[in-house]
Amino acid sequence: QKEVEQDPGPLSVPEGAIVSLNCTYSNSAFQYFMWYRQYSRKGPELLMYTYSSGNKEDGRFTAQVDKSSKYISLFIRDSQPSDSATYLCASRMDSSYKLIFGSGTRLLVRP
Amino acid sequence: EAGVAQSPRYKIIEKRQSVAFWCNPISGHATLYWYQQILGQGPKLLIQFQNNGVVDDSQLPKDRFSAERLKGVDSTLKIQPAKLEDSAVYLCASSLDDGVYGYTFGSGTRLTVV
Repeated sequence: QKEVEQDPGPLSVPEGAIVSLNCTYSNSAFQYFMWYRQYSRKGPELLMYTYSSGNKEDGRFTAQVDKSSKYISLFIRDSQPSDSATYLCASRMDSSYKLIFGSGTRLLVRP
Repeated sequence: EAGVAQSPRYKIIEKRQSVAFWCNPISGHATLYWYQQILGQGPKLLIQFQNNGVVDDSQLPKDRFSAERLKGVDSTLKIQPAKLEDSAVYLCASSLDDGVYGYTFGSGTRLTVV
């Protein structure tokens, strides 16, 4: 079992839709949760990070962590074609620097 | 601030040849990471440096991969000899301290082994 799992997609939505991207993880020691966005032929770019459970909002993006169910979510409101990319979730423990990544979900926002 | 610089952007080599990648992290970032991203997968940590020292190289195939970070700044990652399964994007990232708030990645070097 992979430590962090994501549906690879692709997920195709019309412009303006609310997008929900999800990950599950298996290691209960994970405390830090991050979402990265990766455009084609580019490196991942940090979008959001969250410590432990709870919600965090930044503009059109909201990250949610539910540690009881080991579930991580990223919501994108008013999605734009420029949001078309691969979204990677990542987690790490307090005691380790190492980020464990999911395999990524491809998102396509149609104009 | 300037980002993480990597070179070359692309490299094609034959199996059993050697190859080296270079990374220049963000100025002042003490921690440097090399990740391998195989097509369709998430990045996987190969090695992590804190200043000059290695923090974690548990997933580095040491029989063929080596890495160094001179003077706590630039880093090189070498593969010798390369195998077909080494075809991937090699990403360098850097962070302040322990990267609690995430890393900054470079654009990567895309390696194709034929």
